[in-house]
Amino acid sequence: AQSVTQLDSHVSVSEGTPVLLRCNYSSSYSPSLFWYVQHPNKGLQLLLKYTSAATLVKGINGFEAEFKKSETSFHLTKPSAHMSDAAEYFCVVSDLNNAGNMLTFGGGTRLMVKP
Amino acid sequence: GAVVSQHPSWVICKSGTSVKIECRSLDFQATTMFWYRQFPKQSLMLMATSNEGSKATYEQGVEKDKFLINHASLTLSTLTVTSAHPEDSSFYICSARDKGLEPQHFGDGTRLSIL
Repeated sequence: AQSVTQLDSHVSVSEGTPVLLRCNYSSSYSPSLFWYVQHPNKGLQLLLKYTSAATLVKGINGFEAEFKKSETSFHLTKPSAHMSDAAEYFCVVSDLNNAGNMLTFGGGTRLMVKP
Repeated sequence: GAVVSQHPSWVICKSGTSVKIECRSLDFQATTMFWYRQFPKQSLMLMATSNEGSKATYEQGVEKDKFLINHASLTLSTLTVTSAHPEDSSFYICSARDKGLEPQHFGDGTRLSIL
């Protein structure tokens, strides 16, 4: 069984300051991990993915995440927040060895960016 | 590439009406599509897996007769909410994988409001 825990339901930062969204996972196999962003009344847009290659993954819009197996973490970071980054962020795990190939979603983190 | 189009984006209808939501993969073929439901300020809940040319696989607790899924072609899956009631009001999102590989690509979602 796999699970994802996003440690903060809400994160508030000031524009221009760093962003850290925390994610811990558990998986019986070698997982693939993803971060998606959702703006209001929209679907999910892929920010980045980890699929057992480089542990530091760079995504779109300046976001990156580091896979740390020893800590079972996949935290999302960005050096400098923009107002347009305000949205809901989901950490997602996929168990590639599971024939069902299902996604397991974290509870989401709402990022608020103050001017 | 890998665009998923979902239609309609918003629908409001009376109780007892059946509503059909379409999910199309625009530039790739999708043997498998997924239907999710999202309640306000919550994460996505997988409802069912839609398989081209065969019956959908429903998650536990999802009524098959209430949420009819048809996946008649490699680029189109439909979700029909039959005899919709106010408790069916929600945000429904579909996704698809290109060549069965991760990541899943999401549509923009359909907001269903039943009066």
